[in-house]
Amino acid sequence: DGGITQSPKYLFRKEGQNVTLSCEQNLNHDAMYWYRQDPGQGLRLIYYSQIVNDFQKGDIAEGYSVSREKKESFPLTVTSAQKNPTAFYLCASTLRAANTEAFFGQGTRLTVV
Amino acid sequence: GQQVMQIPQYQHVQEGEDFTTYCNSSTTLSNIQWYKQRPGGHPVFLIQLVKSGEVKKQKRLTFQFGEAKKNSSLHITATQTTDVGTYFCAGTNQAGTALIFGKGTTLSVSS
Repeated sequence: DGGITQSPKYLFRKEGQNVTLSCEQNLNHDAMYWYRQDPGQGLRLIYYSQIVNDFQKGDIAEGYSVSREKKESFPLTVTSAQKNPTAFYLCASTLRAANTEAFFGQGTRLTVV
Repeated sequence: GQQVMQIPQYQHVQEGEDFTTYCNSSTTLSNIQWYKQRPGGHPVFLIQLVKSGEVKKQKRLTFQFGEAKKNSSLHITATQTTDVGTYFCAGTNQAGTALIFGKGTTLSVSS
């Protein structure tokens, strides 16, 4: 089945540690995105990538980093510089440009203690 | 930067009542998309509107895109408990490279 997979579903980390969230898609989509969801805040764009080896900052990129070494993969690292990392993180992909249907992964709920 | 605003933030209705959520953009949109997120789930695409004044229907759901392409609405007729969830509108940023989401409207339905 084609789709977009995020792992793990739940993740716990100690404060001060970096953590990497995985996102893999087998839809052959060019573009991939990371969003953060907090209660009452909707989906806020962290980073996005239109093609391999290229990515752009979204509205809340501070404290996060990404890489796009393969078309299928777009991992997100939450660094210790992110002041409030506890949130629900969603990865999405679109076939090409953003004006096409976005497919979302199941999400990763990160809790930093 | 570009903003997409949605109202209301929350709406509670009795089963069988109608429901409407509104979406407004600070800039003209090339298109607008609507998504539904069930509690504990992830957003799922519902529809995309592209033309000025466009109206599309999906069973009990009616989607409209404003004439100026700066606002949109989603109307649900005779809500059911299966309609529970958060409805998001989304427009592309000015470069057309990313989707910008509104904060969503969370619908609860009591039977």
